[in-house]
Amino acid sequence: SSELTQDPAVSVALGQTVRITCQGDSLRSCYASWYQQKPGQAPVLVIYGENNRPSGIPDRFSGSTSGITASLTITGAQAEDEADYYCNSRDSSANHVIFGGGTKLTVL
Amino acid sequence: EVQLVESGGGLVKPGASLRLSCGASGFTFSTYNMGWVRQAPGKGLEWVSSISSSGSYIYYVDSVKGRFTISRDNAKNSLYLEMNSLRAEDTALYYCAKEGLGFLEHFGYYYYYMDVWGKGTTVTVSS
Repeated sequence: SSELTQDPAVSVALGQTVRITCQGDSLRSCYASWYQQKPGQAPVLVIYGENNRPSGIPDRFSGSTSGITASLTITGAQAEDEADYYCNSRDSSANHVIFGGGTKLTVL
Repeated sequence: EVQLVESGGGLVKPGASLRLSCGASGFTFSTYNMGWVRQAPGKGLEWVSSISSSGSYIYYVDSVKGRFTISRDNAKNSLYLEMNSLRAEDTALYYCAKEGLGFLEHFGYYYYYMDVWGKGTTVTVSS
């Protein structure tokens, strides 16, 4: 079945912009959703659909898709954004849900 | 407040069974698809199973097919995961999540997400 590939780790200087990417064939037909997970906490949805933020998610988080690559962009990263980020989509052909392996974001 | 609360985890021996429960509140449970996601210690998220709002459509990750059974009781606002023939590799924190799924005809794209998560219940399989 389909997979989603993420870089294991990314770093960004405080206040700068960082892009976290996710690649996979399922993204040709299904938008990625993105989740933030801090140590000891449950994941939190930060982006879904074309580029939608749930209530309470800061507007510095945005999403985009091009071909088989989805991106989560944090514009002006803050210290509290340091976390693991996971992408997720649905493989319609297999009726499976897929998560990427996760990207650990460090804010320097 | 929208909330999901998991229960039923524990320490069991290989081959044993467990039944996880997830109680929902703050939203109309019967109108949403629901799912289970697990996270092994120090590892990433892994989708386990999903069930449609009516219970008519059910899907599993290949590694649990034939061993795990997802179900729901809309009258009790509850989601369940019956786990049989447990293995060491099933050791994880199990989350239940509310799902969103749809199709944007204008863009020709599906969307899928999990917008509400519980805090999880821990399953440990060890002899």
